[in-house]
Amino acid sequence: GENVGLHLPTLSVQEGDNSIINCAYSNSASDYFIWYKQESGKGPQFIIDIRSNMDKRQGQRVTVLLNKTVKHLSLQIAATQPGDSAVYFCAENTGFNKFYFGSGTKLNVKP
Amino acid sequence: DGGITQSPKYLFRKEGQNVTLSCEQNLNHDAMYWYRQDPGQGLRLIYYSQIVNDFQKGDIAEGYSVSREKKESFPLTVTSAQKNPTAFYLCASTQRGGGDSYEQYFGPGTRLTVT
Repeated sequence: GENVGLHLPTLSVQEGDNSIINCAYSNSASDYFIWYKQESGKGPQFIIDIRSNMDKRQGQRVTVLLNKTVKHLSLQIAATQPGDSAVYFCAENTGFNKFYFGSGTKLNVKP
Repeated sequence: DGGITQSPKYLFRKEGQNVTLSCEQNLNHDAMYWYRQDPGQGLRLIYYSQIVNDFQKGDIAEGYSVSREKKESFPLTVTSAQKNPTAFYLCASTQRGGGDSYEQYFGPGTRLTVT
């Protein structure tokens, strides 16, 4: 499968600080990316997506940045809250409705 | 969890038995997927179906089988040929090539334990 990996398996941040979770992908043909949040024992929840014709997309407290030159994706969470503690995955789509997922980064938010 | 249901949430089976995991969606999505998740790992694609009566193997299809007789249903059978079946299984659906979004909606998952 495609290599969608993450630089850091675990990230600890203080409540109120901003969090940045990184992801590297290997297929330059990937044209669509998604960030998911997964809480323990539950299915992944969609956070935000971005197409390859964009460099940045903002949602509520979250921003995704895409650098196609170095095949890098990041998720920024502003004012991190305890409820943000979860595992975050990036996924890439190269067409044909087939997705490849990274192994995930665990975000720990310290009160 | 969107409009996708998986049942049961926990499933226990003895080694050598086949077991079928249910996945139903009411989102009218064409495409459905089965993933396997092991502790500390990402999701690995088992099977996917783009349309009714059609499905393709994913990266780890050996020991699994699926059917897609109805648009809303995509059951997964874990056969006795699957060497390491204990895992968390996730079903998902997405719109088939529609619009600007390929957002996948996931079900709550089924945790299968085989002893």
